[in-house]
Amino acid sequence: EIVLTQSPATLSLSPGERATLSCRASASVDIYLAWYQQKPGQAPRLLIYDTSYRATGIPARFSGSGSGTDFTLTISSLEPEDFALYYCQQRRNWPLTFGGGTKVEI
Amino acid sequence: EVQLLDSGGGLVQPGGSLRLSCAASGFTFNNYVMTWVRRTPGKGLEWVSTISGSGDKTYYVDSVKGRFTISRDNSENTLFLQMNSLRVEDTAIYYCARDRTTVTSYWFDPWGQGTLVTVSS
Repeated sequence: EIVLTQSPATLSLSPGERATLSCRASASVDIYLAWYQQKPGQAPRLLIYDTSYRATGIPARFSGSGSGTDFTLTISSLEPEDFALYYCQQRRNWPLTFGGGTKVEI
Repeated sequence: EVQLLDSGGGLVQPGGSLRLSCAASGFTFNNYVMTWVRRTPGKGLEWVSTISGSGDKTYYVDSVKGRFTISRDNSENTLFLQMNSLRVEDTAIYYCARDRTTVTSYWFDPWGQGTLVTVSS
């Protein structure tokens, strides 16, 4: 099983600041990594897939990078609605796995 | 508009059973792989099970193999998760999710609103 480790667990920032979230895989997932955002009481929402492709309707301030075992989600300038939980997910191998999450808080 | 409506959750005793449903609308259901994902308080998101568009291929996380069964009724645009021999650790919000496109990717978009399953005596 590929284990995804997200860091930091919590990121305390202010609106307008840049957020950098990390996801490290225990084995190579090639480019097969996605990022999701989840707000309290809501379902997760796909942000980024295949490392760097934005899903439909996702603003350009969200970007993804990396390959192999190290990946980054960057939010260039935080908007108030971006304060949420973020998860990474790999589809390189079964079982599909998620990281433990990073909470972006004010 | 694409919609997924999860239902069927509730409180059940350890060893009991529940059947979750996910009613889909706004897209051609049988063209898409469908998946169940759960969110637990301690572990975050966990992939549970996936089924192909035709229903002939199914996949499960090891912790539910032999206890949970994923199925679909393409004539009714509905996804199911039959959960037997439930354990306390199965307590979670269960979400159904559609594959992002008709070309299988195992990226989940969109998701249902979730249904809460509580296993407790």
